[in-house]
Order: sequence, then structure tokens, then C-alpha cells
Amino acid sequence: DAGVIQSPRHEVTEMGQEVTLRCKPISGHNSLFWYRQTMMRGLELLIYFNNNVPIDDSGMPEDRFSAKMPNASFSTLKIQPSEPRDSAVYFCASSAPGNTEAFFGQGTRLTVV
Amino acid sequence: AQKITQTQPGMFVQEKEAVTLDCTYDTSDPSYGLFWYKQPSSGEMIFLIYQGSYDQQNATEGRYSLNFQKARKSANLVISASQLGDSAMYFCAMRPYNAGNMLTFGGGTRLMVKP
Repeated sequence: DAGVIQSPRHEVTEMGQEVTLRCKPISGHNSLFWYRQTMMRGLELLIYFNNNVPIDDSGMPEDRFSAKMPNASFSTLKIQPSEPRDSAVYFCASSAPGNTEAFFGQGTRLTVV
Repeated sequence: AQKITQTQPGMFVQEKEAVTLDCTYDTSDPSYGLFWYKQPSSGEMIFLIYQGSYDQQNATEGRYSLNFQKARKSANLVISASQLGDSAMYFCAMRPYNAGNMLTFGGGTRLMVKP
């Protein structure tokens, strides 16, 4: 398996623009997590899906952030409009059914200027 | 809600020596899993080791072992025979077995191995 695939790897955008981050989980995994990592705040869980259903989105910073999982093999995290403080590395991770480890994608480094 | 605490922001260890990275956690869930991840300077998150809350024995994976003390709610990572390539950030994480089983991370410890 190719592992969790995120795209793009790097994104530079101007403040106010819409940004869409994409994630393809490992086939057969039914849990998907979106995390944001910054120096100041560390690894923050933004949202968690189980069987394509959002279970907990309490970590989503504000209404500018939205996430979808239309099917078991694809998820998006959208920021609209983007702001400089959204600059961070965004990770997607997936795990198999049960209490197993999560496998991470390579991350998307987002820079908002 | 669960909370993971890693009290050592940074640590040094001499090459070939053993090192212990501390992790304490707080949860009201009776069943849970504990995980350690390594993040080298390249940025990827690498899964190292897993310990279930009902496991009788401490988990081991090669040079990694987990010193699990359930009563103290601690899950320290022990790295034996440190290598230069072990220099990285290390994150402790926990995931309860219940229906809303999110994976929550601690703040991390930066380990630096000295030659």
C-alpha cells in the first residue's frame, strides 16, 4: 500500500484565498484524522471521521475551516478565506477498525502571505 | 476528555546510552491504547510502539520499549543503545477504546543524541 497520500505537499497562497487540502487514506481504514502542527501549539486535532462520518470537529478553529469525507477513500480540508495565522503543517492520518495506531501522510505545509 | 503530558521539552543523550522519555496521561476511559511516534527533522510522523491498557506485559519493538505503569498513568518510552539517527521529536499519544476514540497527542520531547 502507498500509505496515506496528501496533496499538495506545499501550498503558498495569499490572504483571503480559498485553500483545499486533500487526503487519500489507506485502503480499508475506517478512521481519518486531520491535525494541524505549529511551533506554538504543537499537534492539534482538528476533526475526526469514523466510517466517513464526522465524529468530533471541536478542534476546528472557526467557521473558515470545513472538512468533508464524501467516501472512504477521500477527504478534504478547506480554509476559506485563508489568513496568515493559518500557516502550519496539516497532517492527515488514518487507522484501521479498532484501537490501532494511526498512519500519517507526509503533511501539507501551508503558507499564507 | 483525555490529556497527555510530556514534561521534558528537550533532552540530550550520549550515543550508545539508553534514554527514557516521560509521558503521563489522564483519562476517565477504562480501556485505551498508548502510542509513541517519532518525528525526524524531515517532518514525517513515524509510529514506533503501542501498549494496550489491559496488556500485562510492557511492549517492546527492537530498541524501543514502553515502561507502562497503569496506576501512575505513565507510559514512558525507553530507547536503548541510542543512535545519531534517533535525534528527533517524540510524541506520546492516547486513544480510548470507546465509540468516539480520538487520538490525542502530548506536546512532544526533542531528543538530541550526542556523538
